[in-house]
Amino acid sequence: DAGVIQSPRHEVTEMGQEVTLRCKPISGHDYLFWYRQTMMRGLELLIYFNNNVPIDDSGMPEDRFSAKMPNASFSTLKIQPSEPRDSAVYFCASSAPNQPQHFGDGTRLSIL
Amino acid sequence: AQSVTQLDSQVPVFEEAPVELRCNYSSSVSVYLFWYVQYPNQGLQLLLKYLSGSTLVKGINGFEAEFNKSQTSFHLRKPSVHISDTAEYFCAVRSNKFYFGSGTKLNVKP
Repeated sequence: DAGVIQSPRHEVTEMGQEVTLRCKPISGHDYLFWYRQTMMRGLELLIYFNNNVPIDDSGMPEDRFSAKMPNASFSTLKIQPSEPRDSAVYFCASSAPNQPQHFGDGTRLSIL
Repeated sequence: AQSVTQLDSQVPVFEEAPVELRCNYSSSVSVYLFWYVQYPNQGLQLLLKYLSGSTLVKGINGFEAEFNKSQTSFHLRKPSVHISDTAEYFCAVRSNKFYFGSGTKLNVKP
């Protein structure tokens, strides 16, 4: 079975540019989560969806961040404009109800 | 408020020694409990889970954890660690949403 697929694996871009991170959840999972991981702040939940609907976006740091889930097999996390402090590893995870989350390999984002 | 506490940010241990990584949670409702492992430059992988039934749960790589409802704990144990167990370990709780602990870095020394 394919796991959670994230792209790109690495991205390096200049501050001010738009960044789009992509995620394909495991088929049949109706929960999708976006996390950010840094040395300073650890693992932070940014937003999660249930059946493509955003349920809790209280972890989204500011309006520069937005996430969408247009269908059950695809989600994006956008940062516009990007800033150096957004540099982190961004993880996507998916799960079935009351089951553990399955994580993707992450996108390592560097904003110069 | 619900939370997950991992008291030890780092645990150094010698190879073949036993180890326990502590996890406590606070919740007023029934929970599901998980341990994840993260190797360098990789995503989180599920080690084991407690959903119901026996309070002693066995996972991959020889790890096990015991759910203690009265102490609201879910400590992770391994009787004899290997160098390859060096990683960061996260405890997680799911009630109405997921909560992750801050992680414990296990450093196994030769």
